[in-house]
Amino acid sequence: QKEVEQNSGPLSVPEGAIASLNCTYSDRGSQSFFWYRQYSGKSPELIMSIYSNGDKEDGRFTAQLNKASQYVSLLIRDSQPSDSATYLCAVSAGNMLTFGGGTRLMVKP
Amino acid sequence: EAGVVQSPRYKIIEKKQPVAFWCNPISGHNTLYWYLQNLGQGPELLIRYENEEAVDDSQLPKDRFSAERLKGVDSTLKIQPAELGDSAVYLCASSLVWTGAYNEQFFGPGTRLTVL
Repeated sequence: QKEVEQNSGPLSVPEGAIASLNCTYSDRGSQSFFWYRQYSGKSPELIMSIYSNGDKEDGRFTAQLNKASQYVSLLIRDSQPSDSATYLCAVSAGNMLTFGGGTRLMVKP
Repeated sequence: EAGVVQSPRYKIIEKKQPVAFWCNPISGHNTLYWYLQNLGQGPELLIRYENEEAVDDSQLPKDRFSAERLKGVDSTLKIQPAELGDSAVYLCASSLVWTGAYNEQFFGPGTRLTVL
């Protein structure tokens, strides 16, 4: 069974700090990797996608992928209270997109 | 550009009653997904459509769940009869095309189902 693992948290960081969210996956054939943000009571919102090893930056967000180690991470720089949400890692292998359980991030003012 | 539209947003029913959810994907998106999300968990795929064809329904409990996507656009997910354990959020998502890679999925607001 293909698995995507995330620490459920909560991960608590002070405002302005860097939040680091991690995700590991079991299927070495995975090709595409996504980060979704989900506010309480809302649906998942796609914030980052990454397809090759290395870093991908978009504003305050940086996704990092290491296929050899089978992990993907999301860094949030200058964290704001509005970043407080659950972050879902999703991994695509073949015709299946598998989600992790999410990490709850709390940014304290 | 309009996002994925779902209705109703909330539904409360008694067990053994039928219920239906409706989804309109983003215009031009050929692939449509129905997910179930329980509290504190990630979404789990129920069924995936490529145009009108259900190409992955292995996780759909076919004894009580059914789905259709007529004309390859709107889709309906039905539960009959509903059980207490079906209480969850039902999410619809769509993507431009399924390629295995570059498959960015966009979610609708979901339908929160409560079965009493």
